[in-house]
Amino acid sequence: QQQVKQSPQSLIVQKGGISIINCAYENTAFDYFPWYQQFPGKGPALLIAIRPDVSEKKEGRFTISFNKSAKQFSLHIMDSQPGDSATYFCASYKLTFGSGTQLTVLP
Amino acid sequence: DAEITQSPRHKITETGRQVTLACHQTWNHNNMFWYRQDLGHGLRLIHYSYGVQDTNKGEVSDGYSVSRSNTEDLPLTLESAASSQTSVYFCASSESRASPLHFGNGTRLTVT
Repeated sequence: QQQVKQSPQSLIVQKGGISIINCAYENTAFDYFPWYQQFPGKGPALLIAIRPDVSEKKEGRFTISFNKSAKQFSLHIMDSQPGDSATYFCASYKLTFGSGTQLTVLP
Repeated sequence: DAEITQSPRHKITETGRQVTLACHQTWNHNNMFWYRQDLGHGLRLIHYSYGVQDTNKGEVSDGYSVSRSNTEDLPLTLESAASSQTSVYFCASSESRASPLHFGNGTRLTVT
């Protein structure tokens, strides 16, 4: 009953590069699409979220792109920094989470 | 500041024992959730509650139970702990269905 498919599982990016994480969802009933960031030993924390009435939302270096027809949304991290190294989760209907993407940004 | 607190942070127990993990939030949120996190599986929903006396099963509820007697607390009970329940458990709360989840820092449970 996997309602959210997240890719890639892991990602290694050089400092200053762009990190892109994708999420595909199944249930169209949801109206809130968040990305969470998790550091080791901590609980996930909301990074950025989007509602389906907009196609893109930007907060600083972080951007969500939303494609309603394809049932996909993605997280873009511009100018990636070593401090961005963490695990990222998308979430969808009934707060189902993707399997996570471990991002490593090399200095 | 409002927060969500989980206790204990670490717990080791034996197979067959009953274990209760505590979750307390001061956000005054009606919605509370329990997840388990395992490598390769992300966060999987165990149980959730939309208010006092309301409880619902999530994706992986077998072997777990919750009760909600007040707004602040949602304890998670493992009726008879099994090695397959070794995991990190996270409690979360939210104001509404389309609001951010606020997570605790987790309880690492080891069942030997």
